[in-house]
Amino acid sequence: TQLLEQSPQFLSIQEGENLTVYCNSSSVFSSLQWYRQEPGEGPVLLVTVVTGGEVKKLKRLTFQFGDARKDSSLHITAAQPGDTGLYLCAGIPSGTGRRALTFGSGTRLQVQP
Amino acid sequence: SQTIHQWPATLVQPVGSPLSLECTVEGTSNPNLYWYRQAAGRGLQLLFYSVGIGQISSEVPQNLSASRPQDRQFILSSKKLLLSDSGFYLCAWSFLLHQTGGETQYFGPGTRLLVL
Repeated sequence: TQLLEQSPQFLSIQEGENLTVYCNSSSVFSSLQWYRQEPGEGPVLLVTVVTGGEVKKLKRLTFQFGDARKDSSLHITAAQPGDTGLYLCAGIPSGTGRRALTFGSGTRLQVQP
Repeated sequence: SQTIHQWPATLVQPVGSPLSLECTVEGTSNPNLYWYRQAAGRGLQLLFYSVGIGQISSEVPQNLSASRPQDRQFILSSKKLLLSDSGFYLCAWSFLLHQTGGETQYFGPGTRLLVL
């Protein structure tokens, strides 16, 4: 089983629509990160959320960290074709002694013009 | 500024052949280094990570191995490739490992491996 579950796995929408991607876990994370990956390239960091309940905005992207620090969401307003890609959440679970990021399974977003 | 290189970009190898993928980082010292494998359109599976020269931690049992002969060089190897080794291999580096999180990983361009 995945430590970080992302939903939906795949999303195809029309340009201008809004969408939300979820990243859930039964474990507590000291922080969570969101990456975007385009085909044939490595993931690129979008944001890091650290405080429970924190909301960060990056242009049309809004990221939220759950109050209990077990989940996070990414909301895109008025999606554009340039938003197409694989969105990955990642983090290090608290208290595990783990020293490397765990990545979610990813949400593949396709925005049709 | 820091840069990370991977080569080759694409590789087609027969089953049973050896493998060597190389990753180098420039512009930083003593980085943490990582090897991931990614199935088509899916998340990243951590294979190995290293916090220093000669220090390798393995995440999953497999027929792959990793080595770090120099501070900024990370090599992924196999003596005999399997069909299931096909995938997209990504190297990443990070600076100053924090136990409490907030660590940013910077990824290389990846190597696409096809085992036939």
